[in-house]
Amino acid sequence: DQQVKQNSPSLSVQEGRISILNCDYTNSMFDYFLWYKKYPAEGPTFLISISSIKDKNEDGRFTVFLNKSAKHLSLHIVPSQPGDSAVYFCAASGRGSTLGRLYFGRGTQLTVWP
Amino acid sequence: DTAVSQTPKYLVTQMGNDKSIKCEQNLGHDTMYWYKQDSKKFLKIMFSYNNKELIINETVPNRFSPKSPDKAHLNLHINSLELGDSAVYFCASSLNMGGGEQYFGPGTRLTVT
Repeated sequence: DQQVKQNSPSLSVQEGRISILNCDYTNSMFDYFLWYKKYPAEGPTFLISISSIKDKNEDGRFTVFLNKSAKHLSLHIVPSQPGDSAVYFCAASGRGSTLGRLYFGRGTQLTVWP
Repeated sequence: DTAVSQTPKYLVTQMGNDKSIKCEQNLGHDTMYWYKQDSKKFLKIMFSYNNKELIINETVPNRFSPKSPDKAHLNLHINSLELGDSAVYFCASSLNMGGGEQYFGPGTRLTVT
């Protein structure tokens, strides 16, 4: 039973434009959300996170938005660059039985073309 | 000065063999993890250790046995390998077991023939 879902397996964006990656979750125990970036043959690299007490967190070109009522979060990359082309994983963690575990979505392959 | 390292990066072996994967982190973290990424690309937690103590043991066949000789190392031994064990195994670490960011190694691609 997937508790974190990324429904778009791929996204293609032109360089300079905004990339928006979406993620939905089902478990109300989740209170901490992360985005990871992964290149082929490498491990996931932590990108940005957000706690459930916030609805937005920004780090340079990357902004994560959290809508708790909709159980939805999104990652905005602006402006997108060719080097951003990678698989992006959404992950969640929380309290109780979810503590210490990261639950991952299936990933979205982002391609940024010149 | 890699933060989380794993060896080997690739492992090809036959069914029935026993193999080990090693992981080391130099971040000074207390907690380490093993994750499995299957053919459908799902990343799922298998085990976590906090300061050498087993904390999380998901529903994993007992052919998989993690061992943590110290808090900087977490190894994974797999007995009697099966075709379905073919996957990429990632080691990760975090500051402590209270949640927060986990930092991943480069992965070990295990292929069982």
